[in-house]
Amino acid sequence: AQTVTQSQPEMSVQEAETVTLSCTYDTSESDYYLFWYKQPPSRQMILVIRQEAYKQQNATENRFSVNFQKAAKSFSLKISDSQLGDAAMYFCAYRRMGSGGSNYKLTFGKGTLLTVNP
Amino acid sequence: DAGVIQSPRHEVTEMGQEVTLRCKPISGHNSLFWYRQTMMRGLELLIYFNNNVPIDDSGMPEDRFSAKMPNASFSTLKIQPSEPRDSAVYFCASSFGWSNQPQHFGDGTRLSIL
Repeated sequence: AQTVTQSQPEMSVQEAETVTLSCTYDTSESDYYLFWYKQPPSRQMILVIRQEAYKQQNATENRFSVNFQKAAKSFSLKISDSQLGDAAMYFCAYRRMGSGGSNYKLTFGKGTLLTVNP
Repeated sequence: DAGVIQSPRHEVTEMGQEVTLRCKPISGHNSLFWYRQTMMRGLELLIYFNNNVPIDDSGMPEDRFSAKMPNASFSTLKIQPSEPRDSAVYFCASSFGWSNQPQHFGDGTRLSIL
């Protein structure tokens, strides 16, 4: 079974600084998707960024970028120029790719609570 | 565009009562998911529908839980009878297809069973 591990329960960053959130996963599959979701105090789950395992290029979305290391099964999220609105719980998630099986299932990590200090 | 709409946002009820949570997926999405979020277990998939048909309900914890999707624009998750350990945040999510499209989540329903 796939597992997703976020080893940092909490992180903090100063406004305008850069922070990196860690995520590792375990899978025997070669093709899959990885996601980062943000959950602010409002509780909504917001998709931040997505990475396809077959793509070597790291995904970027404005101030958010990932460092995808397939061999190491690592998928970290970098937030540049941190803003107060970035304060939230961040979840890393995994999903299989391809047809058949349970590839609709998202497996989530336990989350990292990010605090942004003014 | 309207996102996934869930109601109610908060629900407080006494043990033993029936609870019904509602979800309206994004128009055009044909996959719908119900999740439960707790501190202890994190986010867990309860049930998955594709084209209104339940495909995987292996995450439904007990027979007290049931879910329906009578049409493409509406789904319910029902707990009867409710117990204090059912207290959690319940999320509904939808996507177009299920293979390569991301899931979009609603705002969740915070359920408290006294």
